[in-house]
This record gives sequence, C-alpha cells and structure tokens, in this order.
Amino acid sequence: GAGVSQSPSNKVTEKGKDVELRCDPISGHTALYWYRQSLGQGLEFLIYFQGNSAPDKSGLPSDRFSAERTGGSVSTLTIQRTQQEDSAVYLCASSSWTTSYNEQFFGPGTRLTVL
Amino acid sequence: TQLLEQSPQFLSIQEGENLTVYCNSSSVFSSLQWYRQEPGEGPVLLVTVVTGGEVKKLKRLTFQFGDARKDSSLHITAAQPGDTGLYLCAGIHSSASGGGADGLTFGKGTHLIIQP
Repeated sequence: GAGVSQSPSNKVTEKGKDVELRCDPISGHTALYWYRQSLGQGLEFLIYFQGNSAPDKSGLPSDRFSAERTGGSVSTLTIQRTQQEDSAVYLCASSSWTTSYNEQFFGPGTRLTVL
Repeated sequence: TQLLEQSPQFLSIQEGENLTVYCNSSSVFSSLQWYRQEPGEGPVLLVTVVTGGEVKKLKRLTFQFGDARKDSSLHITAAQPGDTGLYLCAGIHSSASGGGADGLTFGKGTHLIIQP
C-alpha cells in the first residue's frame, strides 16, 4: 500500500513569502504529526492531529506557523512571512493507533530553503 | 520535558567492525522505538521494545531495552556501508495517557558512517 507522501519535495522561497506544505497520510491512519529537522539535528515536534482536531499545538515555534487537517486525511502546514531560520526539512508522520506504541510512519519530507 | 540522550552523537568506523549506540533517560518509558533515517528520506521504524530486559534481533542488529526501561542500546555486528544513517530512538513516557505527541519523545540521533 501507499506510504505517507509529502509535497513539494523541495521548496525554495524568498524571505517574507508564505509557503504551504502538504502531507497525505497512510489511508486509515487517524493520527498525523508534523516535525521539523534542521541540518544534522533530531526531530523537533511541531503539531499533532487526531482526526481533524489538533489537541497538541505546543511545538509550533511562532504564530507564523499554522496547520489544518481536513476530512481526517490530508494536512497542510502553512508558514507565513518566512524567515531564513525556517529553512529545514519538514517531516510528516502518521500512526494507526492499533497499538499503544504510537509507531509512526514518516514521509520523505519537504526541504524548505528560505533565501 | 522528558529527554532521551543518544550517544555517541557521531560515529565513523570501518566495514566489518562492531559498534554499540546508546539511548538513555532518567525517565521510565513504557516502550521505546528505534528508527533509521537515510539522507533525503524520512525515518523508518526498525523495532519497538516494550518489556524491561527485552532483546530483539533484526539480522545483524540487536536491540535491548534496559531492565528499568530507562535506556536502550543498539548493537550492530560486522557493520556494512548500507548501515550508514542517522539512528533515532523514540520513547513513550510511562505516564503518558496512551499516545499523542506529548507521549512520544525523540532523541537527537547518532550519525553513523560505515566506511568501505
């Protein structure tokens, strides 16, 4: 079956512009996560969705970051007025909750470069 | 914040050598996962360990969960260039209600390079 897909794979933008990153989770997975990974670093949690609701937004670094999920499936992460420090790989993961272990399946990521 | 400390941060060894990487915390975890991430890709789940003292083997990789469920190790025997990657551990804190982002904590990873 299809895994988690993300688009675009690469995005280069100018400082101050808005960007939208898309995530298509594995079909039937109710939980969806966004992470940010800077060069050579581990995963920084951004936001978590259960269905269409986001019970945990604690990782969003500023009010320029927002995310939504519609139909319990596709999610969009929006960064407004991008800054150079937003440059990173943005990873999306989904989980089926069939076990209590929260095993996550990741997409390939979107590499964002802010010039 | 429950921290998972991974060590070493970087490791470069020759093909055929053995190695062990560690994942440590002062907190108890109900389960712990290991992921491997290759350049340009997302992390891929390797194994989940849930019982204190549990040992799981995946070909040349041996994963162990500490008796107290505060630490874990990954041992690779006869490392191959294909083992190169970023190894991440992630755990669910034992006080977590059953999941959600605040239940899963990631370490910063061990960058492993196996030279031919």
